Amino acid sequence: GIQVEQSPPDLILQEGANSTLRCNFSDSVNNLQWFHQNPWGQLINLFYIPSGTKQNGRLSATTVATERYSLLYISSSQTTDSGVYFCAAAGGGADGLTFGKGTHLIIQP
Amino acid sequence: NAGVMQNPRHLVRRRGQEARLRCSPMKGHSHVYWYRQLPEEGLKFMVYLQKENIIDESGMPKERFSAEFPKEGPSILRIQQVVRGDSAAYFCASSPPWALSPLHFGNGTRLTVT
Repeated sequence: GIQVEQSPPDLILQEGANSTLRCNFSDSVNNLQWFHQNPWGQLINLFYIPSGTKQNGRLSATTVATERYSLLYISSSQTTDSGVYFCAAAGGGADGLTFGKGTHLIIQP
Repeated sequence: NAGVMQNPRHLVRRRGQEARLRCSPMKGHSHVYWYRQLPEEGLKFMVYLQKENIIDESGMPKERFSAEFPKEGPSILRIQQVVRGDSAAYFCASSPPWALSPLHFGNGTRLTVT
């Protein structure tokens, strides 16, 4: 099955900073999603982005399918951005998503 | 309105008991997925179901675990004869009838086996 690797595993930033989170995947994908798990454990879907670029407020994501990576950008970080960011991918329409181990982000005031 | 509803939020079972976790998908969603998250780890796919059908159960342990999504009612993840290693957060997600679409998660059920 697909392997999903995320980097960095941990990231500590001051409020207002920008960050880039990376997701590498081992095979062709037709489904790639980014999630945020907040400190209370809730999983929020940020982007469905098998290719191309999308933006939603201070967050944006780019997937370069031919090079097998995706990037999540967070600008002007706020303390509420803290949590774990997961990338998940699948190669077939009926496949369950394979999750990476996540990037644990801490935004300090 | 509802998002994906899971219950109970917390479940405590003694070793050897059965655990039943319920999941009601978002309105209009007919695909349900179950994932397990161990402490400090990512989510592991368990099973993918549509109404009355198991589509992919490649992530389900071979014994003690089963899942169903009946024509009426919620999806159920059943764990028989629980052991301490089953302690984890179990998340359910749903998506619309077309396969390639964003996944929406419930708040999870945190199972503790004592």
